[in-house]
Amino acid sequence: DGGITQSPKYLFRKEGQNVTLSCEQNLNHDAMYWYRQDPGQGLRLIYYSQIVNDFQKGDIAEGYSVSREKKESFPLTVTSAQKNPTAFYLCASTTGGNQPQHFGDGTRLSIL
Amino acid sequence: GQQVMQIPQYQHVQEGEDFTTYCNSSTTLSNIQWYKQRPGGHPVFLIQLVKSGEVKKQKRLTFQFGEAKKNSSLHITATQTTDVGTYFCAGPRSNDYKLSFGAGTTVTVRA
Repeated sequence: DGGITQSPKYLFRKEGQNVTLSCEQNLNHDAMYWYRQDPGQGLRLIYYSQIVNDFQKGDIAEGYSVSREKKESFPLTVTSAQKNPTAFYLCASTTGGNQPQHFGDGTRLSIL
Repeated sequence: GQQVMQIPQYQHVQEGEDFTTYCNSSTTLSNIQWYKQRPGGHPVFLIQLVKSGEVKKQKRLTFQFGEAKKNSSLHITATQTTDVGTYFCAGPRSNDYKLSFGAGTTVTVRA
């Protein structure tokens, strides 16, 4: 059954720590995205990747980093430079262009 | 830059009543997409509208794309508790693979 898998579901970060959120898809989609969701603010784009080994900054990339070494995988690292990381993080993928996006179940990140 | 706005932000509905939520873009859109996010869940794609004036129905949900392709609406008839959640509209940004999401309309239902 095809889909997008995000892990972990819940994650806690200590001050000064980098954490990595996993996103894996078996939909054979070319494009992948990371969004941050805060209450009442909808979805804000962090990074996106149209093809393997290429990615672009979204609207709120500061304090985050990504890689796209494989088509199936698009991990997001929340660095210590991100001073307010507590949020719900959603990974999405699409076949490309402006086609509908498929979302994973999300990761809830909190500060210890 | 392109902005997508949704109103109202919150909609409290009596079970069985109808309501409409609206989506407006600052620029003309090639298409408009609607997503639903249940409480504690992730957004799920509902529908995509492409043509000017297009109307599509999914059971009790009616989606419309404006003639100028800058606005859209979602009308739900005979609201049920299963309609609870946040409804987002999203439009493509020009010349790239990104979508602009509205802030969403969060729907609660009184039984």
